[in-house]
Amino acid sequence: AQSVTQLGSHVSVSEGALVLLRCNYSSSVPPYLFWYVQYPNQGLQLLLKYTSAATLVKGINGFEAEFKKSETSFHLTKPSAHMSDAAEYFCAVSDPHSGGGADGLTFGKGTHLIIQP
Amino acid sequence: DTAVSQTPKYLVTQMGNDKSIKCEQNLGHDTMYWYKQDSKKFLKIMFSYNNKELIINETVPNRFSPKSPDKAHLNLHINSLELGDSAVYFCASSLSRGHGYTFGSGTRLTVV
Repeated sequence: AQSVTQLGSHVSVSEGALVLLRCNYSSSVPPYLFWYVQYPNQGLQLLLKYTSAATLVKGINGFEAEFKKSETSFHLTKPSAHMSDAAEYFCAVSDPHSGGGADGLTFGKGTHLIIQP
Repeated sequence: DTAVSQTPKYLVTQMGNDKSIKCEQNLGHDTMYWYKQDSKKFLKIMFSYNNKELIINETVPNRFSPKSPDKAHLNLHINSLELGDSAVYFCASSLSRGHGYTFGSGTRLTVV
């Protein structure tokens, strides 16, 4: 069974500071990994994904994440926070080899990012 | 030209009622899903459909039943609604596992 742990239910950073949101996964096989963002009262938007190609993945809005197999981590970073980055961020994992031709995502519990002016 | 659309966006109903939430995707994706987001924002998969076949059925009550008339639609029917069913329900679709999943904007269900 897969699982995702996001350290810190709330993270607060100052505008212009580095954003670091932590995600660790547990999976019996190398997984596919995703980061999604959810703005208030909206659906989930894909920020970036890792699907066994380059370990450093660049996404939208200046975010990037690095897959580290030895640490079973997929932390999300952004060099300089902007007020518009305030939202809920979810890390998710899927098993590339699950049967049936389809599978769903297993989500972490989310990290609420607060940007201080 | 919304990719994944859900209706209604808000649904308030009384306990014991039966309700449906509709979902449509125009992306040509093969698989559709329903997720439930609880009050603590935790997301959990409920169902997925691939080529009209139920692939995943996580342990949800049998009061919940997905219905897919074609691969562009996956509706969610809920019978005998309970207070604990109050949540935000998201529809999603995917082309394949590695492509990621496109989510609808959600349906906020409130049972009173």
